Amino acid sequence: SAVISQKPSRDICQRGTSLTIQCQVDSQVTMMFWYRQQPGQSLTLIATANQGSEATYESGFVIDKFPISRPNLTFSTLTVSNMSPEDSSIYLCSVGSLGDSGANVLTFGAGSRLTVL
Amino acid sequence: AQKVTQAQTEISVVEKEDVTLDCVYETRDTTYYLFWYKQPPSGELVFLIRRNSFDEQNEISGRYSWNFQKSTSSFNFTITASQVVDSAVYFCALTLNRDDKIIFGKGTRLHILP
Repeated sequence: SAVISQKPSRDICQRGTSLTIQCQVDSQVTMMFWYRQQPGQSLTLIATANQGSEATYESGFVIDKFPISRPNLTFSTLTVSNMSPEDSSIYLCSVGSLGDSGANVLTFGAGSRLTVL
Repeated sequence: AQKVTQAQTEISVVEKEDVTLDCVYETRDTTYYLFWYKQPPSGELVFLIRRNSFDEQNEISGRYSWNFQKSTSSFNFTITASQVVDSAVYFCALTLNRDDKIIFGKGTRLHILP
């Protein structure tokens, strides 16, 4: 399965600032996914990032708040804009691998733990 | 709409005991895939198993086993002879097809006490 490097691993940010999280994969992948995991909660999909097209956002997430770049098949960034304490979460990058058949098996990065003061 | 319910928020058992984590899913589709992921304290999610809706065979992998029952829309996960290293949050998840998003349950935090 793919190996994902995500950075920063953690950061403490001031309210109103923006932070960009980077996700690097060791192989070319078509689809990359960005998830958010709020403290003690489950994973919620923010958006699907496809190379060469705009990201597809889930309900409740908008591009102005979470702009995503996907310049090539091995890299993506997620920016958390104009942060507030409610944005304090773990943000996870993931990629799917189809394997022999069936649905994507997601491989996750280690996550970026953001704390907004 | 699809939904995954993990009713057990937190479970504590003593090492070497068996423990079962429950997962109930909802979907109207006949083709779907179910997953279990483990999130240890380090935070990184680890894939454990994928099962498609046409394969109701139970699966065993070492101390781990999974019981898939379409009649009750359940996909339960049992750890036999639990170990402290099994302490983690376990997520059950569902997707409808190979390219669709994966929906996660809220997770069950498992504590294995020495």
